[in-house]
Amino acid sequence: GAGVSQTPSNKVTEKGKYVELRCDPISGHTALYWYRQSLGQGPEFLIYFQGTGAADDSGLPNDRFFAVRPEGSVSTLKIQRTERGDSAVYLCASSSRQNTEAFFGQGTRLTVV
Amino acid sequence: GESVGLHLPTLSVQEGDNSIINCAYSNSASDYFIWYKQESGKGPQFIIDIRSNMDKRQGQRVTVLLNKTVKHLSLQIAATQPGDSAVYFCAESSLGSGSARQLTFGSGTQLTVLP
Repeated sequence: GAGVSQTPSNKVTEKGKYVELRCDPISGHTALYWYRQSLGQGPEFLIYFQGTGAADDSGLPNDRFFAVRPEGSVSTLKIQRTERGDSAVYLCASSSRQNTEAFFGQGTRLTVV
Repeated sequence: GESVGLHLPTLSVQEGDNSIINCAYSNSASDYFIWYKQESGKGPQFIIDIRSNMDKRQGQRVTVLLNKTVKHLSLQIAATQPGDSAVYFCAESSLGSGSARQLTFGSGTQLTVLP
């Protein structure tokens, strides 16, 4: 596809469950970013990948959150033991290099009930 | 901690008028700023950016002004159109120009263009 693709677009899960959110970046983009956006707020940085490695994970709120990018393309954000406070839109973005324009996907809306 | 905030949560303008959206930031180490547009159900869309060594940058119908003395950023949209209706976020970074790492976003301004 031409843009960043995120699946699913919506996810409803029960408190305590495990979820995985997927991001397909723009083909060839080496930098990938995850952000979280709560209702009425701006996005908050979670983690940044350069290639396969997490170059900066300082935004992950706690150890229930983990992200991988094993082949340097698709990334998966994993949340264990979900809590109601994890409900938000999770945004993924990619850029061709670290210091170039980042393109965002449409996000995955996660609702923990 | 450091934060980026917006002066007004909502702004309504007549179609064809110019719009000005303001943003204040508090991190004096910020050296790169971006304006994003976000329509309902979509991710943020890059509009324009500016580095701290500049005070003005122009794009197509948009101008960003940076006043480092008072830590203030503004986005000017000329001849506002209905398609400009969206939430606008300013974002800043202190990690180097052009980087989308650790962007700090403001809470957004809802721009509504009236017919």
